[in-house]
Formats: sequence, C-alpha cells, structure tokens
Amino acid sequence: ETGVTQSPTHLIKTRGQQVTLRCSSQSGHNTVSWYQQALGQGPQFIFQYYREEENGRGNFPPRFSGLQFPNYSSELNVNALELDDSALYLCASSLLFREGTDTQYFGPGTRLTVL
Amino acid sequence: AQTVTQSQPEMSVQEAETVTLSCTYDTSESNYYLFWYKQPPSRQMILVIRQEAYKQQNATENRFSVNFQKAAKSFSLKISDSQLGDTAMYFCALFNTNAGKSTFGDGTTLTVKP
Repeated sequence: ETGVTQSPTHLIKTRGQQVTLRCSSQSGHNTVSWYQQALGQGPQFIFQYYREEENGRGNFPPRFSGLQFPNYSSELNVNALELDDSALYLCASSLLFREGTDTQYFGPGTRLTVL
Repeated sequence: AQTVTQSQPEMSVQEAETVTLSCTYDTSESNYYLFWYKQPPSRQMILVIRQEAYKQQNATENRFSVNFQKAAKSFSLKISDSQLGDTAMYFCALFNTNAGKSTFGDGTTLTVKP
C-alpha cells in the first residue's frame, strides 16, 4: 500500500448538504490531485494542488473546491450536494517539478453516497 | 482537450499466457506522461508502468511492458506470464505537464483464468 491516506472511508449525506473529504499525502510529495470515480468508470480529474495553489482543474463546477496545507495534506469540499455526486473520491499525491512529474500514488478513496 | 480511449471493456486470459491491453490518446501537448494503473477489487489504484513521452524506448517492469507509438498516439500494455493476481481493472492515463491535468480512460477489466 502507498503512504497516502484518506478519511473518512465511507460517508452518507443528503442532497443540498456540504461535505469535506481529507487526504494525507505521501512523505516528500508536494502535489495532491483529486478524482471522482463513478461505479465502473475511470477517474475524472477534479483539480490538482501544488504547493498550496490550484495548479490545474477539470470540468467540475465551482461548488467543488479544495485546499492544500503547508504540510501538503489536502481537503476536497463539495457544496450543495447532488445525487450525481455519489461516487468514490480518490486523492493522489506526487512530486511535481519544473521538468516533469513523478508518479502519482493513490489513496484508498472515500465512498460518498448522496441520498 | 485531451482524451484517452480504451476500446476493450473486458478481456480474459489463461494463466501463464500473454495479453495485450489497448490504449489510444489524443493531446496537442509535447510534454506529457503516460501511465497504466491497476485497480484490484479492493479498489486502491496501483501504478503498473509509466512512460515519458520524450523517451523513445518502451518502458518495461518485470512482466509488464508497453508499446509506445508516439506518432500513432498509441500506448498498449503487454502482460506476460499472466498470474491470477493480475485480475483487476486496468486504466490508461495521460498527464499533461503544462496544464497539470490528468485524463484517464474508462478502463479494461482483465480476468485471468486458472
């Protein structure tokens, strides 16, 4: 297993609520990426944080927001939850440098169910 | 926009045999990386192999190797001497260094049969 951890493991929310998911990156990594994975599909890129700044973003609405902390851990916040937000949320940490990138190491994910 | 396409939703192979998973991609960038990830039923995504786009030599990792055809934008994964533990969903992914953006394919479910 990688050194990337996520909490909580499972979460049940109702439509309209807000949720915060947490990710602790692997030691030495400066970048965290978040993905949404619907059942039976590939992960969809939400955004990436590099040294506390958003470094890239996928096609997700602004109600998906994030933070990266000085220790490079990260949070994903989702406001006004919708039923379609039900998915596995994965975070991945990596070491990004000007010339390129090291490999992303994934956490086990948080399973979010919106009722 | 960048896309990754895996045209084989499901594949199966007999134990000890060789199987090849296909992946094609599209990007206008010159600086990118390609990856194959494995996601077993326990769900944690694990790196199988990576390829830097600027390298012509195909990457290999033990029983896993790739056939990287940059002009054709093709990146297939070959698994030799398949083992039961190789049973998983396999994802092809592209990382765009300039945009800081990753794109994954929809995956291929591989079943290794005894």
